[in-house]
Amino acid sequence: AQSVAQPEDQVNVAEGNPLTVKCTYSVSGNPYLFWYVQYPNRGLQFLLKYITGDNLVKGSYGFEAEFNKSQTSFHLKKPSALVSDSALYFCAVRPPGGGYNKLIFGAGTRLAVHP
Amino acid sequence: DGGITQSPKYLFRKEGQNVTLSCEQNLNHDAMYWYRQDPGQGLRLIYYSQIVNDFQKGDIAEGYSVSREKKESFPLTVTSAQKNPTAFYLCASSAGPRETQYFGPGTRLLVL
Repeated sequence: AQSVAQPEDQVNVAEGNPLTVKCTYSVSGNPYLFWYVQYPNRGLQFLLKYITGDNLVKGSYGFEAEFNKSQTSFHLKKPSALVSDSALYFCAVRPPGGGYNKLIFGAGTRLAVHP
Repeated sequence: DGGITQSPKYLFRKEGQNVTLSCEQNLNHDAMYWYRQDPGQGLRLIYYSQIVNDFQKGDIAEGYSVSREKKESFPLTVTSAQKNPTAFYLCASSAGPRETQYFGPGTRLLVL
């Protein structure tokens, strides 16, 4: 079955330190990969996506993500965390082919950045 | 969130009542989607529409209904058949079937 795993329910980081939020997927072929962020009681905001090309993708608010095909991973990273980065982060995968824009979401990882 | 509005922000449903959640977009997107979010779970697709006057069931369509009479609007009705409707409902749209989905601010549905 196709799935997305975010192995950490919560990630704690000190402000100014680098952060990583992990995502692995189980989808055959070459999927599209996405990261979204959600602040409390808000909708999801698009951060970045990988379709093809360079394995390091840069997105909004200084975030970037590294695609690793052999490990089927798409980890979200930021060199220096801010307290305002504290939010819920979702990884999503769009399987190749198919008749519509189906996204498979991970369960989410809560990022807490401490001053 | 920009370009996609959802109303109301909070909605209360009584037992046996149908309620309708509004979703409007001014992005000129062809495709629209409804998701349900429960605590500790990822988003689950309820219904989607790739074009006006056409829509398809997603993974958890039972107890829900939709319409797509206008390109900019995709209302979701939570019927009395949905026995566990308490959740955060998110509407999304995309320019085309393979394009990035953008989300509205959500509606929280609570049962009285």
